[in-house]
Amino acid sequence: AQTVTQSQPEMSVQEAETVTLSCTYDTSESDYYLFWYKQPPSRQMILVIRQEAYKQQNATENRFSVNFQKAAKSFSLKISDSQLGDAAMYFCAYRGTYNQGGKLIFGQGTELSVKP
Amino acid sequence: ETGVTQSPTHLIKTRGQQVTLRCSSQSGHNTVSWYQQALGQGPQFIFQYYREEENGRGNFPPRFSGLQFPNYSSELNVNALELDDSALYLCASSPGRQGSRGEKLFFGSGTQLSVL
Repeated sequence: AQTVTQSQPEMSVQEAETVTLSCTYDTSESDYYLFWYKQPPSRQMILVIRQEAYKQQNATENRFSVNFQKAAKSFSLKISDSQLGDAAMYFCAYRGTYNQGGKLIFGQGTELSVKP
Repeated sequence: ETGVTQSPTHLIKTRGQQVTLRCSSQSGHNTVSWYQQALGQGPQFIFQYYREEENGRGNFPPRFSGLQFPNYSSELNVNALELDDSALYLCASSPGRQGSRGEKLFFGSGTQLSVL
């Protein structure tokens, strides 16, 4: 069974600085998708960035980028020029080849605080 | 932006009771999935519906059931409530079927269920 692990329950960053959130996963599949979702206090999960496993190039979305290491099964999120609005819970998630009916497997989350 | 709405926002029930949670998908979306998020945890997949049929289910007992209607609204029903059912229940919709593994899910803000 696939698993997703986020080993940092909490992280803190100074406004305008850079922070990296870690995620590791376990799977026997070769093709899959990985996602980072943000959950602010409003509770609504918002997609931050996604990566397809067979694409070697790391995904980027404005200030957000990932470091995808397929062999190491690592998928970290880098937030550059951190803003106060980035404060939220961040979840790493996996979606496999056979999809299992749309199943997203989430990690435990990392709570990010941004200091002014 | 997402257009996924859930009702009610909060609900208090007593152990042994039954509850129905509702979700209205974003316009044009024919796939809906439900997740349970316990306090301090990542969401866990309950099941997914595509065009009114369940096409994937997580590790939840049969007392968790669902419906999807022709207008793509959806219900999550939980019978014989237990204390451990206390959680945030998230609904997510997407345009396509399970072939679109990388597609973005649009989440609602959830229903916070408390079982006393």
